[in-house]
Amino acid sequence: GDSVTQMEGPVTLSEEAFLTINCTYTATGYPSLFWYVQYPGEGLQLLLKATKADDKGSNKGFEATYRKETTSFHLEKGSVQVSDSAVYFCALSENSGYSTLTFGKGTMLLVSP
Amino acid sequence: DAGVIQSPRHEVTEMGQEVTLRCKPISGHNSLFWYRQTMMRGLELLIYFNNNVPIDDSGMPEDRFSAKMPNASFSTLKIQPSEPRDSAVYFCASSPNSDNEQFFGPGTRLTVL
Repeated sequence: GDSVTQMEGPVTLSEEAFLTINCTYTATGYPSLFWYVQYPGEGLQLLLKATKADDKGSNKGFEATYRKETTSFHLEKGSVQVSDSAVYFCALSENSGYSTLTFGKGTMLLVSP
Repeated sequence: DAGVIQSPRHEVTEMGQEVTLRCKPISGHNSLFWYRQTMMRGLELLIYFNNNVPIDDSGMPEDRFSAKMPNASFSTLKIQPSEPRDSAVYFCASSPNSDNEQFFGPGTRLTVL
């Protein structure tokens, strides 16, 4: 079955540091890939997505590129802020029929001033 | 747009009691999802509906859990009887169709004593 593997956290960075959160996936078809973010006490919200190989999703300074050859969708940001502290979830959706999201376990990011 | 609405936001109950969680999806969305989030197991899909019909309930832990969607604007997740191991945050999400972005509610934090 489908699965998503994320690096374990917490990831602890200082403000303005470079961020990478690794995500790899296993899927039978050609899925769409997503990054969701969960701020403390809130539900998940979509951060960015990519629907086909080599697509780059971007939002709020975050980027991720759909790499079919390495089955990866790593999240990056050039300069993190304290307000980026949250839990980040990588997810995939098979683009067929009643497709649901398969989530990774989440990676907590803590950014200190 | 009000977003996905969940109630109550917090619920504390005693073991053996019935618990009902409520969700109002975003108007016009035809897919609805119930998730459970715990530290140990992460985010788990319990059940999802499309056009008010349950499509996959394989994630429902056991017969104590049941979910209904009597109309396009309302769904309930019921636990009867509740147990301490049911303590978690329960999220409802809706989607305009089943393989697009899911919009999450703020969650219900359930504590079973």
